Amino acid sequence: DAGVTQSPTHLIKTRGQHVTLRCSPISGHKSVSWYQQVLGQGPQFIFQYYEKEERGRGNFPDRFSARQFPNYSSELNVNALLLGDSALYLCASSSTTVSGAFFGQGTRLTVV
Amino acid sequence: GIQVEQSPPDLILQEGANSTLRCNFSDSVNNLQWFHQNPWGQLINLFYIPSGTKQNGRLSATTVATERYSLLYISSSQTTDSGVYFCAVMRPGSGNTGKLIFGQGTTLQVKP
Repeated sequence: DAGVTQSPTHLIKTRGQHVTLRCSPISGHKSVSWYQQVLGQGPQFIFQYYEKEERGRGNFPDRFSARQFPNYSSELNVNALLLGDSALYLCASSSTTVSGAFFGQGTRLTVV
Repeated sequence: GIQVEQSPPDLILQEGANSTLRCNFSDSVNNLQWFHQNPWGQLINLFYIPSGTKQNGRLSATTVATERYSLLYISSSQTTDSGVYFCAVMRPGSGNTGKLIFGQGTTLQVKP
């Protein structure tokens, strides 16, 4: 079985631009969560989607948005990029029947 | 919210040594996971262990939920064990699909 896949793996953007990150969960998992990890810190929760509905939102500005598609894949969108948005963005999928969250390899975003 | 504290923040070992990493959490949890973050940033699941003891090869983990702590044991450490180890918890009511709250991590360096 394929694990959680994220694309792209690396991305360089300019301040003020917009970015879209993509995540495909493990087959059968209906929940997708997004996390931001800046250097030297633990991941911080951004969003959780379950059955295509937003179920949780972390302390991030409205420039951050996400959605989940009928096939349970997800996109994270960030508008008006700031230098401080440079981070590793991690996607996790989970199931109500299988314990624990499983993470993708992440997208490393650099804003210049 | 729940606070998660990991200790020690940094650990340097000689290959073959044993180590214990600790995770304290400030409130009741219904999910606790240990992860190893590899040099490429991916979070690798080690254990899903909201309570009790589990073993997987040279690694084992124990969570004492009533006392709000978890321990990760690494025996006969190898250079490939190097990296950052994270503990993450989830509050009750989140099921298996809610928000994970991460500690700051323990950075382990195993020297040959």
